Amino acid sequence: GQQVMQIPQYQHVQEGEDFTTYCNSSTTLSNIQWYKQRPGGHPVFLIQLVKSGEVKKQKRLTFQFGEAKKNSSLHITATQTTDVGTYFCAATNFGNEKLTFGTGTRLTIIP
Amino acid sequence: GAVVSQHPSWVICKSGTSVKIECRSLDFQATTMFWYRQFPKQSLMLMATSNEGSKATYEQGVEKDKFLINHASLTLSTLTVTSAHPEDSSFYICSASRTPSSYNSPLHFGNGTRLTVT
Repeated sequence: GQQVMQIPQYQHVQEGEDFTTYCNSSTTLSNIQWYKQRPGGHPVFLIQLVKSGEVKKQKRLTFQFGEAKKNSSLHITATQTTDVGTYFCAATNFGNEKLTFGTGTRLTIIP
Repeated sequence: GAVVSQHPSWVICKSGTSVKIECRSLDFQATTMFWYRQFPKQSLMLMATSNEGSKATYEQGVEKDKFLINHASLTLSTLTVTSAHPEDSSFYICSASRTPSSYNSPLHFGNGTRLTVT
C-alpha cells in the first residue's frame, strides 16, 4: 500500500528558531493535507495543497507541494511554544481516495 | 466550522467485555466517517471507512467481527470493540468528511477515545 514518510521523526528547537518537516512519497499524489496534533489531542486540519509546485502561507507557516507532486514540506518561521505538537502530512494518490497519514514529526520547543 | 463529537473520551474495561464508541457530526451531515487507531507516539492508522446506510469497508488486517461499525444515520457512526483484550488498548479517533470520500476534503476529527483494557 501507499506509504508516506516524514523526516525528521523528532525535532527539538530553541524558541525563535525555524523548523521544517518533509513529507515524501514514492508515488504521485493527488493532493496533500497537513494536520497538527497537540500532545493528548486530536489532529486538526491545517491546509490542503493540490497543484504542482503550490505554495501556501498561514502566518508563520509555509506549505509547499513539490513539482512532481511526490513531496511536500512545512516550514515554521520563528517557532513559539504554541507550535509544540506532532505535524502529520496526509495524502491521497490517484486511483485511491483513501487518506494515508505520514509518520509524523514531533516538534518540541526549548524555551 | 465542522464539529465532530466523540464519546466517551476515555474508558477502562475488563478483558472480554465490549466497548462502544460513538462519533457524531454536530453541524453537518457526514456521508462518510473514518475510524483510526493510534498507538503512543505513532501515526494514525485507518481501520475502516464507514458509509451511511451500507457496510463498512475494513482495512487489511482489521478484524470486522471484532471491530463492529454501524453508520445508521448521516450524523452518527459507532465502533464497538468486542471481547476486548489488553492489546486493543489504544487511542481510537473518528473523523468525518462532508463528501463521500476524503478526496479533496479535509477531515474533521473527534477528540478521540482512549481505551484501556485491563
